[in-house]
Amino acid sequence: DAGITQSPRHKVTETGTPVTLRCHQTENHRYMYWYRQDPGHGLRLIHYSYGVKDTDKGEVSDGYSVSRSKTEDFLLTLESATSSQTSVYFCAISENGRRQYFGPGTRLTVT
Amino acid sequence: DQQVKQNSPSLSVQEGRISILNCDYTNSMFDYFLWYKKYPAEGPTFLISISSIKDKNEDGRFTVFLNKSAKHLSLHIVPSQPGDSAVYFCAASDTGTASKLTFGTGTRLQVTL
Repeated sequence: DAGITQSPRHKVTETGTPVTLRCHQTENHRYMYWYRQDPGHGLRLIHYSYGVKDTDKGEVSDGYSVSRSKTEDFLLTLESATSSQTSVYFCAISENGRRQYFGPGTRLTVT
Repeated sequence: DQQVKQNSPSLSVQEGRISILNCDYTNSMFDYFLWYKKYPAEGPTFLISISSIKDKNEDGRFTVFLNKSAKHLSLHIVPSQPGDSAVYFCAASDTGTASKLTFGTGTRLQVTL
């Protein structure tokens, strides 16, 4: 299994508060991704990174920002959490951008 | 606009029989396809993939078939086992936007005894 960890694994927060989720890899893979999984929608890409400090938007990027200051860490920030951002968030990594390996997920509840 | 579609939300199969999960896509630029398996409270795990230059790829009990003219792929599991009960996602990517996967909405497979 690819070495990917996500923290926290569970979080409950209030509307309007900032939240940061962390993804950490030990595989030295170039690409890192953040997805959200919601019923009826499958997995949707939020943001991804193709190198340190190189990031791009995905399909559902509004309300989210990311940062990657070193190869192993990819942070996802919700600047002001809303109830529509209640979801399960998955980080993924890839060496070549094709086959992706996923972390265990973070369940976020915004009340 | 759903570019990758899994039209069957659920499927129930008896143990030992064949499971066939289907996936359709609309983007003719897709050239690489993958299947992932997901158990509750875990991240998706890679199962099998196929490049558009092939029409079949096999790995043990799992075979993926690709019909490019119909823009259709399927995952066959033979024989099905109770441990195969999970949600299966198909995903696709194209060289032009290499590094981004588009996922279907998933099919929940239940293998019964």
